[in-house]
Amino acid sequence: SQTIHQWPATLVQPVGSPLSLECTVEGTSNPNLYWYRQAAGRGLQLLFYSVGIGQISSEVPQNLSASRPQDRQFILSSKKLLLSDSGFYLCAWSVRRGGDTQYFGPGTRLTVL
Amino acid sequence: AQSVTQPDIHITVSEGASLELRCNYSYGATPYLFWYVQSPGQGLQLLLKYFSGDTLVQGIKGFEAEFKRSQSSFNLRKPSVHWSDAAEYFCAVGALSNDYKLSFGAGTTVTVRA
Repeated sequence: SQTIHQWPATLVQPVGSPLSLECTVEGTSNPNLYWYRQAAGRGLQLLFYSVGIGQISSEVPQNLSASRPQDRQFILSSKKLLLSDSGFYLCAWSVRRGGDTQYFGPGTRLTVL
Repeated sequence: AQSVTQPDIHITVSEGASLELRCNYSYGATPYLFWYVQSPGQGLQLLLKYFSGDTLVQGIKGFEAEFKRSQSSFNLRKPSVHWSDAAEYFCAVGALSNDYKLSFGAGTTVTVRA
């Protein structure tokens, strides 16, 4: 069966510091991968999605970037965090072809102070 | 562009009572519709989904949802709520024409009282 991992589970970072959040998927090949941010009372906002290694689409221009160095690895980064980057970050995957249903990881709680 | 509205921010229901969560979507063609549940501090778990066919879909944990094209709705129901159903529920819409990217509603928080 497929499993999706995210780490760290929680993170507290000062403003201006760098960020690296990691997501890995097991048990499937060539998945579509997604990064979402969840702010309180605002649902989920799609940040990035990827259909393959090195292929990243950005949905919302912002202080963050994403990379996919391996087929089942998706990384969310920032060079300098802002207070507004605080939130709950969720990674998700779907089947590459006909990839309708998305399956979510456990999430990372990021607090920027 | 596709969008989802969940009109109820918070619902309180007694244990054993029925539950209905509302979801309205906006999309020109037939959408793919989903309900997810999120416990505090956790990821999202898929409850059920609708792609085509029978408009009444059954999901996990005793939930069901009905797709009504004429009302652009996909309401979630459960006949008898358990305390463990206390969580936040999200409706989402996706479409083939949009690379299956999902748009989520703002969520409905369900509180279950004894």
